[in-house]
Amino acid sequence: ELKVEQNPLFLSMQEGKNYTIYCNYSTTSDRLYWYRQDPGKSLESLFVLLSNGAVKQEGRLMASLDTKARLSTLHITAAVHDLSATYFCAGLPGAQKLVFGQGTRLTINP
Amino acid sequence: NAGVTQTPKFQVLKTGQSMTLQCAQDMNHNSMYWYRQDPGMGLRLIYYSASEGTTDKGEVPNGYNVSRLNKREFSLRLESAAPSQTSVYFCASSKGDAWADTQYFGPGTRLTVL
Repeated sequence: ELKVEQNPLFLSMQEGKNYTIYCNYSTTSDRLYWYRQDPGKSLESLFVLLSNGAVKQEGRLMASLDTKARLSTLHITAAVHDLSATYFCAGLPGAQKLVFGQGTRLTINP
Repeated sequence: NAGVTQTPKFQVLKTGQSMTLQCAQDMNHNSMYWYRQDPGMGLRLIYYSASEGTTDKGEVPNGYNVSRLNKREFSLRLESAAPSQTSVYFCASSKGDAWADTQYFGPGTRLTVL
């Protein structure tokens, strides 16, 4: 059974700094998703990573996937306040249901 | 194009009451899903429907029933609400009948059971 663990669960950082959120998963996952959730809002799809070594970037966010290490990272470059949100990763074991991590609540302070 | 819509947005129930959460999508998606979100636990799948006329249990189906009324609509029913069902409920849909397609989420229903 796939388990997905994120760390840190809470992250407070200053604007302009760089940081990385880690997503570890326990067994094979066909692909890896990243979602963003603003407070009181729904989940918005950010990235889908399909294969080992995949890297995707959108603005100040970059996601990567290392299937051998069973690790995905979400890197934030020069953080801005608008990126404050909760970020979820989710794995897909053998074309079965999505399994979500606990979420990382990111707060970016001016 | 509204995407995925859910009603109601908020609901307070007493223990033992019943209610139905409604979900509709206008993207002509085949698959629809119901999740619950609890603090510190991410999202957990309650039920899903890979196509019109089919439904399957997810990780936490106990206490819930679903109906895939047509391709657009997928409802979630609580027959006898319990405080443990206090949660935020999200409906989602995806294009194909396989799990690999990106899921698009509705705005959520915040349910409190007293």
